[in-house]
Amino acid sequence: EVQLVESGGGLVQPGGSLRLSCAASGFTFSSYWMHWVRQAPGKGLVWVSRINSDGSSTSYADSVKGRFTISRDNAKNTLYLQMNSLRAEDTAVYYCARDNGDVSPWGQGTLVTVSS
Amino acid sequence: NFMLTQPHSVSESPGKTVTISCTRSSGSIASNYVQWYQQRPGSAPTTVIYEDNQRPSGVPDRFSGSIDSSSNSASLTISGLKTEDEADYYCQSYDSSIVVFGGGTKLTVL
Repeated sequence: EVQLVESGGGLVQPGGSLRLSCAASGFTFSSYWMHWVRQAPGKGLVWVSRINSDGSSTSYADSVKGRFTISRDNAKNTLYLQMNSLRAEDTAVYYCARDNGDVSPWGQGTLVTVSS
Repeated sequence: NFMLTQPHSVSESPGKTVTISCTRSSGSIASNYVQWYQQRPGSAPTTVIYEDNQRPSGVPDRFSGSIDSSSNSASLTISGLKTEDEADYYCQSYDSSIVVFGGGTKLTVL
């Protein structure tokens, strides 16, 4: 069974940093592009970032460019999102998801709250 | 970059048919495949339509997708509505290597 499990969310002060992890299992992780997508409370889905299968190419939404860094460790079957200079508007549930032509499957998400 | 625009909400009665639109702001809707996701409260999204009109295994054939180049839009149609179809629905496409989501449509089945 394909499974994605996010971790690392929590409460952080504005200007702070957090690193999210996404542990993948049930498929050949190193063969797939991966995405981070976020959803603010009561709001819609917003794409954040993607990384290609070997980690050599990345893309970011304009809202996080220069502050967030996506990376992966194919030996550990794990995807990461390093988030720096966090702002209140970054508060959201962060999902990792596989690129399968569509964006699927998704993990259960991890909540990041940016507040003083 | 283009945007995908969806109606904020739609409602229909059980047993009826509803169609949710997704209009691309620039570039051709046919340039990149469109996917549709269902998200129930408290859950992660799941795919109900991929590559414009393909259903993943396990998705009932009450769900169908299409694109219309004349209106530059995609549509998700759900027939024989059931109360369990009540959820948020998002369309999605790609702009080069960037993922674009529509704003989402809340479907109420009442």
